[in-house]
Amino acid sequence: NAGVMQNPRHLVRRRGQEARLRCSPMKGHSHVYWYRQLPEEGLKFMVYLQKENIIDESGMPKERFSAEFPKEGPSILRIQQVVRGDSAAYFCASSPSGSFNGYTFGSGTRLTVV
Amino acid sequence: RKEVEQDPGPFNVPEGATVAFNCTYSNSASQSFFWYRQDCRKEPKLLMSVYSSGNEDGRFTAQLNRASQYISLLIRDSKLSDSATYLCVVKGDGVGNKLVFGAGTILRVKS
Repeated sequence: NAGVMQNPRHLVRRRGQEARLRCSPMKGHSHVYWYRQLPEEGLKFMVYLQKENIIDESGMPKERFSAEFPKEGPSILRIQQVVRGDSAAYFCASSPSGSFNGYTFGSGTRLTVV
Repeated sequence: RKEVEQDPGPFNVPEGATVAFNCTYSNSASQSFFWYRQDCRKEPKLLMSVYSSGNEDGRFTAQLNRASQYISLLIRDSKLSDSATYLCVVKGDGVGNKLVFGAGTILRVKS
């Protein structure tokens, strides 16, 4: 049973380009969460999605960032017109519906904006 | 005030030592509590849940004091492999399973 899969592991983008980060949840999990970890800082919640629905996007920057979790396929975190301050590790986690006892993270995508 | 506060350390201890980390949280309605471990540049991994009655997993003991909004982690007989950043994590009372992470406490175990 594969864990949470994220790709790419490393992504380099020039300022102004778009970044697309993918997350496939664990089998049977219908809830996906995205977190961002800036250098030397803790993890910050960005967005919580269920299939085809954004449940909580209170941690998403107001501009340039969007997320989706379509009926088929992985969840996508999209960053338009990247800036140097977007350089960070982006982690995705998933959980099943029902009882909760912590969740498992993917190995993350390290975005570097040059 | 941060929602979850931890002493950043680092805690430098010899092998075999006992070390304790503390954490406080500000939201009294928080429902669930965890300790995660993060190795350098890797994903956080769930170490253990924390219950009011206290719980133990091998060399690790976690304790929760709801009245004081205080969480602790005790590591006995430290190993070199315990060197990592330990994250105190709280689940709030809102929709879904959003977690709030402390900034972490660095532990370095030396031989």
